[in-house]
Amino acid sequence: EAEVAQSPRYKITEKSQAVAFWCDPISGHATLYWYRQILGQGPELLVQFQDESVVDDSQLPKDRFSAERLKGVDSTLKIQPAELGDSAMYLCASSLGLNTEAFFGQGTRLTVV
Amino acid sequence: GENVEQHPSTLSVQEGDSAVIKCTYSDSASNYFPWYKQELGKRPQLIIDIRSNVGEKKDQRIAVTLNKTAKHFSLHITETQPEDSAVYFCAASSASTGNQFYFGTGTSLTVIP
Repeated sequence: EAEVAQSPRYKITEKSQAVAFWCDPISGHATLYWYRQILGQGPELLVQFQDESVVDDSQLPKDRFSAERLKGVDSTLKIQPAELGDSAMYLCASSLGLNTEAFFGQGTRLTVV
Repeated sequence: GENVEQHPSTLSVQEGDSAVIKCTYSDSASNYFPWYKQELGKRPQLIIDIRSNVGEKKDQRIAVTLNKTAKHFSLHITETQPEDSAVYFCAASSASTGNQFYFGTGTSLTVIP
């Protein structure tokens, strides 16, 4: 069964350092999402891509976060510099089209020390 | 934007009893409502979804009801089993706002054997 792949699974970084996460969606899925999930809360959308274009990044802290999906397939989310408050699970999801099931990856658990 | 509220935040039931989780949404344009189950340390996985042209949907022990007028939808789990223990998230999405998924804050369900 096809799955959304994310790496790394776990990342520990010092504050002020740069960190990057990678996501490979299910083949053929045009829509890709990056969510941040703080322990005990629901996922919050950071950025949404349709193919290579950003559809919504209104919740992305653009002073330190950036995201790209250059060829409309895999995607990278970067944080520079990382802050203690960035510690969370970063989930990538993809869907085939509008208003269809979003499939989640295993996530990257980030700890900033 | 959409605001999704979910209640209760925690729920404990005896094995075999029913569990009900309720969500409300604010955007009348929302037309797709998925429910996700997230076990500890794992990715959220879709368990059932409903679209706004349907009032109820059932899949074995799981059912979802939607009241568009009141803007609320509910998850019903019957004959609960210990493996139903997890965190459940409701979500709402609308094609008119870019197919973003807005998640509730989650319900931690514990089924007591």
